[in-house]
This record gives sequence, structure tokens and C-alpha cells, in this order.
Amino acid sequence: KAGVTQTPRYLIKTRGQQVTLSCSPISGHRSVSWYQQTPGQGLQFLFEYFSETQRNKGNFPGRFSGRQFSNSRSEMNVSTLELGDSALYLCASSRGQSNEKLFFGSGTQLSVL
Amino acid sequence: QKEVEQNSGPLSVPEGAIASLNCTYSDRGSQSFFWYRQYSGKSPELIMSIYSNGDKEDGRFTAQLNKASQYVSLLIRDSQPSDSATYLCAAVNILNEKLTFGTGTRLTIIP
Repeated sequence: KAGVTQTPRYLIKTRGQQVTLSCSPISGHRSVSWYQQTPGQGLQFLFEYFSETQRNKGNFPGRFSGRQFSNSRSEMNVSTLELGDSALYLCASSRGQSNEKLFFGSGTQLSVL
Repeated sequence: QKEVEQNSGPLSVPEGAIASLNCTYSDRGSQSFFWYRQYSGKSPELIMSIYSNGDKEDGRFTAQLNKASQYVSLLIRDSQPSDSATYLCAAVNILNEKLTFGTGTRLTIIP
């Protein structure tokens, strides 16, 4: 069974640009969550999608947005990139119950110059 | 105050000893708790979950939960160098089902 797949693995962008990250969950998983990980702040919750609907949202500005498609694949978009957006972005999937184990992808390392 | 707090470490423990990792949480709506392990350069993986007060054992790992004190801990017995990693504590709020992670404790097992 294939794991959670995130693309691309690495991205280098400049301030002001926008970026789209992709996540394909494990087959059969309907929930996809996105996290930002930085050395100082740890894992911070961005949002969670379940059956194409945003079920939860963290405390990030509106420049961060996401969506989920009917096949459960999810994309995350960051517009008007800032230097502080440099981080590892992790996607995690589960079947959708709150007590369930999350399966994480390898992440997308975003560097904003 | 962060919702889930952990000592960032690093915590150094001799091989074969017991490693004790601690976590406190501020949200009394938190009902489910998890410990994830993250090796350097890798993604987090779940090692333990605990939902009720008391201890839960799985091999060399024991999770402890005290809801009155809002405290969760992870004990690793007979620590091995392969246990060297960052350990992330996470809590789920029963009302909004939001999962919140602590910043993690870096554990180093010294051979």
C-alpha cells in the first residue's frame, strides 16, 4: 500500500511569489491535514480537509489556503510569499476519525529567498 | 502559553537507562493524546496513543496520563541508540477535533 505522497520535495521561491504544494493520501483515507514545521515553532496546524470540506483551520493568515478533490488528493497554496514562510510543509492522512493515527508524507521543504 | 508544552531538550540518557519525556497541556477539552517520534530529516510516526488516566504499555514504551494535572508522559525502558529522535506530544480537543502538537523534545541516547 503506497504511503502519503507529497510533491515537490524541495522548492525555492522568491518573496512575493506564490506556491502550490500537492499531497496524495493513502488509498481509502478521506482526511488530509497540513502542518508547517519550523525549528522554533515545531509542528503548527494549518488546516484539515475531509471529503472535500475544510473541517478545521489553524491560526494562519488568509495567504494560506487549501482544497481537497473528490479523489481525496489535496493541494495547499501560499500566495505573496514571505521570508518567514520558509519551512517544511507536512501533509498527513487518516480515515477521518479524530482519535486515529496520522500517516505523514515526507514533506515539501520550501525556501523563500 | 502554548496549548501543548514540552521541554525542548536536548535530553541525554545513557544506553540501557529509562528515558522520561514529559508534556503538559492547557486545554481541558483535550481528551486524546499521542506520542510521535521524528528522526532527523524524516516525518513523524505514531508510537503511542492514550485516552484514559493511568498507564499504557507497549513493549519498551509506557505512556502515562493524568487528566487532573493535565500531564502526559512517555517512558522508554532499556533505551537504545536507535531511540535517539525528537518526540512530539499531541492532544486532540474532543469538541473541535483539532490535533495540536507540542514543539518536541530531542532525545539522545549515549552508547
